[in-house]
Amino acid sequence: SQQGEEDPQALSIQEGENATMNCSYKTSINNLQWYRQNSGRGLVHLILIRSNEREKHSGRLRVTLDTSKKSSSLLITASRAADTASYFCATVTNTGNQFYFGTGTSLTVIP
Amino acid sequence: SQTIHQWPATLVQPVGSPLSLECTVEGTSNPNLYWYRQAAGRGLQLLFYSVGIGQISSEVPQNLSASRPQDRQFILSSKKLLLSDSGFYLCAWSVRGQGRRYEQYFGPGTRLTVT
Repeated sequence: SQQGEEDPQALSIQEGENATMNCSYKTSINNLQWYRQNSGRGLVHLILIRSNEREKHSGRLRVTLDTSKKSSSLLITASRAADTASYFCATVTNTGNQFYFGTGTSLTVIP
Repeated sequence: SQTIHQWPATLVQPVGSPLSLECTVEGTSNPNLYWYRQAAGRGLQLLFYSVGIGQISSEVPQNLSASRPQDRQFILSSKKLLLSDSGFYLCAWSVRGQGRRYEQYFGPGTRLTVT
């Protein structure tokens, strides 16, 4: 069964604004990852944050992790129309073998 | 560099017909392999994963089965398709081993429509 839940389910913003998406999960994890999916395509890995990390940056992406609340957030700063896609969080079990994806947030950036 | 192939890209099959989707990975050895299904507008459901040849773990009971006849080949099958098997099927691989990064690399997907 899916372990993560993202909110909001859909988000529409103007180009240049920041977009924040949240993810909640249920059990202990080794790490949490965020992926992006363009319509009808495979997923692309964006960023990984380990369970002992609290914040991580990569370009315009900022990820936070709160293991006490079992939640994570993805912030995309200065959004662009090309950021329009669905974003999924995925949690990885301590065995490192099983990935559980959330339900996704559909982001639309209006030029 | 590593590459993952999935075929076919799209498939329309009648109810009750068999299914075989194939996934192969190039440029890596001993990967973990995964099959996911994505319903329209939904998240990914993990169907099967494999940590080695002949080793298959099933996440949910269903009408599908998986096999790994070779290290870098993962096959998803069904003997008789149901309407509910329609969806977008994604194959993925990740590096195996402790201390490694666990990101997954996805194939382009197969769009299956059961009519």
